[in-house]
Amino acid sequence: IAGITQAPTSQILAAGRRMTLRCTQDMRHNAMYWYRQDLGLGLRLIHYSNTAGTTGKGEVPDGYSVSRANTDDFPLTLASAVPSQTSVYFCASSLRGDTEAFFGQGTRLTVV
Amino acid sequence: AQKVTQAQTEISVVEKEDVTLDCVYETRDTTYYLFWYKQPPSGELVFLIRRNSFDEQNEISGRYSWNFQKSTSSFNFTITASQVVDSAVYFCALSEAFLNTPLVFGKGTRLSVIA
Repeated sequence: IAGITQAPTSQILAAGRRMTLRCTQDMRHNAMYWYRQDLGLGLRLIHYSNTAGTTGKGEVPDGYSVSRANTDDFPLTLASAVPSQTSVYFCASSLRGDTEAFFGQGTRLTVV
Repeated sequence: AQKVTQAQTEISVVEKEDVTLDCVYETRDTTYYLFWYKQPPSGELVFLIRRNSFDEQNEISGRYSWNFQKSTSSFNFTITASQVVDSAVYFCALSEAFLNTPLVFGKGTRLSVIA
C-alpha cells in the first residue's frame, strides 16, 4: 500500500442497512478526514480526527459515525442508510490540519 | 467561522486562452493556509499549492500562477495558455493554524477547455 486506500470503490446499498466505508493510510499521518462530494455542493467535511483516539464533527455529521483506534485506520459507518446519503465519499489524511491533505480514490455510494 | 467562496460555478474557454479562477475566503485566525486542488474527470483530487497567510508573494509554476491578496481576502488561480488537459474541477480550500481546523473547501469551479 502506498498512500491512502479506500474500500469499497463503489456500493449500492438498500435503505436502512448498515455500512462501513474503510480507509487506511500508510504515511503515519496524524490527521484523517471524511468528506462527501455532491454536485454543486463541493466537498463537505463529515468527521475528522486530529490524532489517534480523538474524533470531531464536521459540517455534516448526522447519520455518520467514525472511530480512530490507531493511526492508520479511519472507518466511516452509516448506521442506517438513507437515500440522501447517496454521494461520493473521500477519505483524506495529512500530517497536521494545516498541511497538504492526501486523498483516497473515493467511494461511490448509492442508497436505494 | 471559516468560509471559502468560489463564485464561478463553470467556466468555458478556448484552448490557449488565459483563465483566472477566483477564490475569496473568510477566517478569524491570523495564521491560516490556503490551498488549491484539481479534480480531473477521472475523479481523484490532486494537490496543487499550499500558501501560508504570511507569504503574499505571487507564485508561478509553469503555466500556473497564484495571486494572494490579504487586503481583499482572495487567492486567485490563473492558468496561462490553457490546454484541454486543464479541464477539471478546481477547489480552493482553507485551514486555520491556531484552531487546527480541517480543510474547508469552496464549492469548486468546473473549467472546460475547448480545442
